[in-house]
Amino acid sequence: DIQMTQSPSSLSASVGDRVTITCQASQDIRHYLNWYQQKPGRAPKVLIYDVSNLERGVPSRFSGSRSGTDFTFTISSLQPEDTGTYYCQQYHTLVTFGQGTRLDIK
Amino acid sequence: QVTLKESGPALVKPTQTLTLTCTFSGVSLSSPGMRVSWIRQPPGKALEWLARIDWDDDDFYSPSLRSRLTISKDASKNQVVLTMTNMDPVDTATYFCALSSVRWSLDDWGQGTLVTVSS
Repeated sequence: DIQMTQSPSSLSASVGDRVTITCQASQDIRHYLNWYQQKPGRAPKVLIYDVSNLERGVPSRFSGSRSGTDFTFTISSLQPEDTGTYYCQQYHTLVTFGQGTRLDIK
Repeated sequence: QVTLKESGPALVKPTQTLTLTCTFSGVSLSSPGMRVSWIRQPPGKALEWLARIDWDDDDFYSPSLRSRLTISKDASKNQVVLTMTNMDPVDTATYFCALSSVRWSLDDWGQGTLVTVSS
């Protein structure tokens, strides 16, 4: 099974801050990595697919990158509406989600 | 516009079998590339992928739950059904169905249905 280790588990930042979330895969998953945002009581929504491709309609302050088995999700300038929980998801072999990062505003 | 909706019992007893139905519109599961997954989320916890069925009837399961899960589809009704046997209180969760098509991301989700396992 492929494990996805996501960190941090929670994060508090100020409006305008640069925020970074990381996921480490337990083995090479190439580019098979997506990022989701989930608001309380709602279904997740895909923000970035295949490491770095922005879903249509998603603001450009969101971005993703890869270095080997390490994946990074970045919000360049945090906005109040960005609060929620973020998940990485690999689909190289079946599907595995990271444990999530809860993001709130200071 | 693609919509998905999960339906099933809100409450099941331990050891019972859970049957959930995902009904979708705006797409056809017969179209090449269409894939429907089930994902669950215990209260306050992370997402867990359970199973997937593809347009060509290939099915895939979480290794840890494979022995308890069966996924099937009725393309004519635009429905995907998940059964989970031997339910336990730890299976209490919101169960989502989600659709992938051209890409492998889970692009469209249902609203989720909360299933509580309790005697």
